[in-house]
Amino acid sequence: GAGVSQTPSNKVTEKGKYVELRCDPISGHTALYWYRQSLGQGPEFLIYFQGTGAADDSGLPNDRFFAVRPEGSVSTLKIQRTERGDSAVYLCASSWGTSPNEQFFGPGTRLTVL
Amino acid sequence: AQKVTQAQTEISVVEKEDVTLDCVYETRDTTYYLFWYKQPPSGELVFLIRRNSFDEQNEISGRYSWNFQKSTSSFNFTITASQVVDSAVYFCALLNSGGYQKVTFGTGTKLQVIP
Repeated sequence: GAGVSQTPSNKVTEKGKYVELRCDPISGHTALYWYRQSLGQGPEFLIYFQGTGAADDSGLPNDRFFAVRPEGSVSTLKIQRTERGDSAVYLCASSWGTSPNEQFFGPGTRLTVL
Repeated sequence: AQKVTQAQTEISVVEKEDVTLDCVYETRDTTYYLFWYKQPPSGELVFLIRRNSFDEQNEISGRYSWNFQKSTSSFNFTITASQVVDSAVYFCALLNSGGYQKVTFGTGTKLQVIP
C-alpha cells in the first residue's frame, strides 16, 4: 500500500514569505506527527494530531508555525514570515492510534529559505 | 526532561565486520519506550525496533541485535557481518508514557560500510 507522502519534496523561498507543506498519511492512520530535522541532527518534534485536533503542539518553535488537519487525514504545516533559520527538512509521520505504535515516516520536504 | 545521547557521530567499518552503535538515555519516568530508526541516504526514516522499559530481554533479528540495560540507561544496537546496504544514519529515540507523544531523538550515528 501507499506510504506517507509529502509535497513538495523541495521548497525554496525567500525570507519573509509564507509557505505550506503538505502531508498525506497512510490511509486509516489516526495519529499524525510533524518533525523538523536540521543538518546533522535528529528529528525534532513539532506537533502531534489525533484525528482532527492538535493534541500536542508543544514543539512548535513560535507563533509563525501553525498546522492543521481539518478532516483527520491530510495535514498542512504553515510557516509565516519565513526566516533563514527555518531551513531544514520537515518530516511527517503517521501511526495507528498513538505512540508507542510504530510511526511511519514520509520522505520529507526540504525547505530552503534564502 | 528526557535526553538521548549518541556519542558516536560517524563510524566506518569494512564489510563483514561487526559494529555496535551506542545509545544512552535520560528520563525520570519509570515507564518509557526506546526505538531505533534507520535513515538511508534516500532520507526516509525506517523503524527497526521498539522496546518498553519493563522488557530487558535482548533481541535478535537476523544480523541485528539490541542490548537494553536499565542499570546503565543504555540501548545499544549491534550489526553483525555488516553489509554495504547497512550504510545509513541510525537514530535512537525515547518516548515517555503517560499520554505524551513527544518522541525525543538522538543526534544519530552515521555508519559507513566500506566494501
